[in-house]
Amino acid sequence: KQEVTQIPAALSVPEGENLVLNCSFTDSAIYNLQWFRQDPGKGLTSLLLIQSSQREQTSGRLNASLDKSSGRSTLYIAASQPGDSATYLCAVQTGANNLFFGTGTRLTVIP
Amino acid sequence: DVKVTQSSRYLVKRTGEKVFLECVQDMDHENMFWYRQDPGLGLRLIYFSYDVKMKEKGDIPEGYSVSREKKERFSLILESASTNQTSMYLCASSSLPYEQYFGPGTRLTVT
Repeated sequence: KQEVTQIPAALSVPEGENLVLNCSFTDSAIYNLQWFRQDPGKGLTSLLLIQSSQREQTSGRLNASLDKSSGRSTLYIAASQPGDSATYLCAVQTGANNLFFGTGTRLTVIP
Repeated sequence: DVKVTQSSRYLVKRTGEKVFLECVQDMDHENMFWYRQDPGLGLRLIYFSYDVKMKEKGDIPEGYSVSREKKERFSLILESASTNQTSMYLCASSSLPYEQYFGPGTRLTVT
């Protein structure tokens, strides 16, 4: 069964820093990988989707990369802001209805 | 923008009550999902549906049932609520290329 790991579980950085969140998965036979943001007590907001044939996707200050062969993805956040504080989840899809989530990285950006 | 709505943000029910959680999406997506999210356990799939009146069990279907009579609406039913069903419930929908869109969540407390 696919296992998804996110390390670290929590991260604090000062405002303005660039940072990288890591996601690893055990089975490289994936359909896509998705990064989500979750604010406390709220639902998940989709940030970026990377298809298995792609190596990266960008949206504003966010850049996600995918290396299927090594089972890794990174989410790069440039010039972090206090409003970026949230939990970030990665999820890998192995079929139309099989989405495996990591347990997330809780990010705090300190003003 | 894809919109997924859930009928309640917060719900408090008593043990043994029958509970209905409703989810509606407005993007004509074929696939709909119900997850629960618990601290330390992440998101776990309860049920999914790939078409009207079609459903399949996820990882933790025990104690739950679902109904999908219309394409845009997917209901989760707790036949007899128990305290171990206290959780955050998240609905999602997707279509090709299977990017999942989530609703705001329902925090259910069973006392």
